[in-house]
Amino acid sequence: AQKITQTQPGMFVQEKEAVTLDCTYDTSDPSYGLFWYKQPSSGEMIFLIYQGSYDQQNATEGRYSLNFQKARKSANLVISASQLGDSAMYFCAMIFMNRDDKIIFGKGTRLHILP
Amino acid sequence: DVKVTQSSRYLVKRTGEKVFLECVQDMDHENMFWYRQDPGLGLRLIYFSYDVKMKEKGDIPEGYSVSREKKERFSLILESASTNQTSMYLCASSLYNPGQGARVEQFFGPGTRLTVL
Repeated sequence: AQKITQTQPGMFVQEKEAVTLDCTYDTSDPSYGLFWYKQPSSGEMIFLIYQGSYDQQNATEGRYSLNFQKARKSANLVISASQLGDSAMYFCAMIFMNRDDKIIFGKGTRLHILP
Repeated sequence: DVKVTQSSRYLVKRTGEKVFLECVQDMDHENMFWYRQDPGLGLRLIYFSYDVKMKEKGDIPEGYSVSREKKERFSLILESASTNQTSMYLCASSLYNPGQGARVEQFFGPGTRLTVL
């Protein structure tokens, strides 16, 4: 069965440090995509980064990068030089290309950046 | 910019009331989704729709129904609200998946926090 696991319910990190948020997934489909979303306290979901299962290189978007290890079924989000505004809930999610367009979400990690 | 709007940010209803949550997107997306979000459970899919008048059940459809009469609008209906439906409701939309390898991110509305008393 398809599943997304985020093992860190909460994290506290000092400002300016790098942060790694863990995400593992389980699927037998060869074709899928992985997303990370950020949800600040205001509630809106903000798309951060995407990695396709056939992409050869790890995705990067500004301070965000995705450490994609396909054999280990892992898609960790790395935030470099964290800022106070990075404090939020972060969700890992997966879409299956050969099926419908549903996305399944992990349960999220709440990140607190300390000044 | 893609914009997804939801009719209310906060809503308080009484047990047994019929509740309508409206979602509108302005980017001509084929797909629309309704999720509920509860602490410790993440986002769970209630219903989704690929096209006008089409709907598919998600993971937790019990107690809900949906309506999609126009492409831009997707409504979630609680026929008889119950206290266990107190939650944050998020609407999302996306383009139809054109095929393998394509990125099909979902764009979310601001959410409706529903309290059923």
